[in-house]
Order: sequence, then C-alpha cells, then structure tokens
Amino acid sequence: GAVVSQHPSWVICKSGTSVKIECRSLDFQATTMFWYRQFPKQSLMLMATSNEGSKATYEQGVEKDKFLINHASLTLSTLTVTSAHPEDSSFYICSAERDRQGALYEQYFGPGTRLTVT
Amino acid sequence: GENVEQHPSTLSVQEGDSAVIKCTYSDSASNYFPWYKQELGKRPQLIIDIRSNVGEKKDQRIAVTLNKTAKHFSLHITETQPEDSAVYFCAASNGDSGYSTLTFGKGTMLLVSP
Repeated sequence: GAVVSQHPSWVICKSGTSVKIECRSLDFQATTMFWYRQFPKQSLMLMATSNEGSKATYEQGVEKDKFLINHASLTLSTLTVTSAHPEDSSFYICSAERDRQGALYEQYFGPGTRLTVT
Repeated sequence: GENVEQHPSTLSVQEGDSAVIKCTYSDSASNYFPWYKQELGKRPQLIIDIRSNVGEKKDQRIAVTLNKTAKHFSLHITETQPEDSAVYFCAASNGDSGYSTLTFGKGTMLLVSP
C-alpha cells in the first residue's frame, strides 16, 4: 500500500510553454500533498503544500502565479509550470500524506518528473 | 521556521563497517523524524522514522536514536553493504498543525566499497 504515481516521468519543453505534472495516490486518500523541487546533488526543497478543496500554501520565494497547484480530489494534485524557462529545469517530486487515521505524518513520494526547458 | 542540519555530507565506508549520520533540528515543537534513502534519479524511500515519545528505534541493520533535549537524532547502519550506497536525508516535522510539513537536511552521500 501507499503508492504514489507521477506523470509524466520526464518532459522536455520549449521556453515559454506550460507543463502540467500530475500526482496521484493510488491506494489511499491524501488530504494533503506536497510539491518539492530538487536540483542536482541538492536536497528536496518544499515548494508548496496542497490541500484538497482549498488553495495551496506556497513557501517563501515560490511564485504562485508561475507554479499553479490544483488539488481537485483526495487522490490527485497537479502542478502546472507556466511560461517555463531554462532555470525551471529541475526534478519535481510530489508526496502524499496518508489520512491521519491510517499512519500519522508519513509521506510517500512519487517517482518524480524530470523537466528540461530548452 | 524549522532548520535541519545534517552531517557529514559524504561518508565512505568499507563493506561490513558501520555508518552513522547525524542531524540537528532547531524547532523544539518538532515531533516526527523520518529518514529517507534516495538512489540516483529515483524517489526518496522512507527507511525508518521515530517520534518524539521514543528514544530509539531499530529495524534489522538500521537504527535511529533521538535526543530531544539536545535536539539531535542519528541514523545508524550496521554491517553495511554496497547496496546501501545512496543519498540519505533526515527530516523533521511537527504534525500538530494539521499536516506535517517536512524540513529536510541537505543529505549525506554514503558510499560503501566492496
């Protein structure tokens, strides 16, 4: 149990275009999902916290108009990188927190999406 | 906010040796401390965690200790094997706010030589 999927696993896009990344919890409900960005040889940096049915909470320095997050259901959150630029190239990873009645606090990570903006 | 420091940044050991990775945290309200293993290009995998009401937890060759007073926690891997080679991240969170935002350390690259 506790499987999280992400789609696509990798994407190459041209500068100025938008890219949507999906994060799904396959076998559990996730009230809360998290979006991270990871640059090569660096740690995971939290971008935003996504709560089902409400607006996402963005970390300081993350542009909410550039990184649009929608948590449409208890099993799906999407991250849209709008008007992507080469500096947005990174490894984007989502995680989902299992409903607290199940396992408190545990986050399960998706496999990540490698975004390359040319 | 929470700040997590992790040391060392790289650790090289011989197969069969023990490896210890240490983390400190700043927020005394943090009450959950997971450790993740990440292989190159893959997702972080939860390998062990500890909550603030416990001082030590062990799972086969892996153990974690927590010192709440000093605000530090450590990962211990015994009888290391080459497949233990990966980047290990510690994290801290306070789940009492309604959900658990993880703050990660910078990671430790563990290299186990045969």
